[in-house]
Amino acid sequence: GAVVSQHPSWVICKSGTSVKIECRSLDFQATTMFWYRQFPKQSLMLMATSNEGSKATYEQGVEKDKFLINHASLTLSTLTVTSAHPEDSSFYICSAKKLVANYGYTFGSGTRLTVV
Amino acid sequence: AQSVTQLGSHVSVSEGALVLLRCNYSSSVPPYLFWYVQYPNQGLQLLLKYTTGATLVKGINGFEAEFKKSETSFHLTKPSAHMSDAAEYFCAVSDLYNQGGKLIFGQGTELSVKP
Repeated sequence: GAVVSQHPSWVICKSGTSVKIECRSLDFQATTMFWYRQFPKQSLMLMATSNEGSKATYEQGVEKDKFLINHASLTLSTLTVTSAHPEDSSFYICSAKKLVANYGYTFGSGTRLTVV
Repeated sequence: AQSVTQLGSHVSVSEGALVLLRCNYSSSVPPYLFWYVQYPNQGLQLLLKYTTGATLVKGINGFEAEFKKSETSFHLTKPSAHMSDAAEYFCAVSDLYNQGGKLIFGQGTELSVKP
């Protein structure tokens, strides 16, 4: 199977601090990873697409300086929320796409971020 | 551009009844189509996907969906609902020819199952 581990599952931080969320593909290599944000009772909104070794591609309206994405290896991508504010509180989910495709996407279990 | 529309933000059925969740898509190229389920505070689990070939796709937990190009639809069905099926369901589309293609999600449908 294809397993994606996302850590932490929940985090509470103070306004102005930064938080890093990790997304690891445990048993496959992921050429591409996607980061989504989900508000309560709403759908997933794509924030950015990251490819190993290159800069992330951000969706329109997503602040690249606030949401820093690093994809340093084929098994790890990180999302850092910088200078977090209460409006950044949300559920963040990563997704990884396999290098050798049966065109599968595997999702992490999500991270609940609360900024106080 | 691709898009997905899920008709009905909330569907309620009785246990044992037919489940029908509707999904229509818009795509200028042949689409890949997906159905995912999400339980509270969890990630998404793939139920089934259509890429090419047979238009009736069978997935996990007794779900199936049929790709109808003429209707641009990919509705999800299950003959008999279980209480454990209560969750949020998302339909998604991706670009067949773009191997790095991102998933575009519908708004989601919350399924409730009454005893």
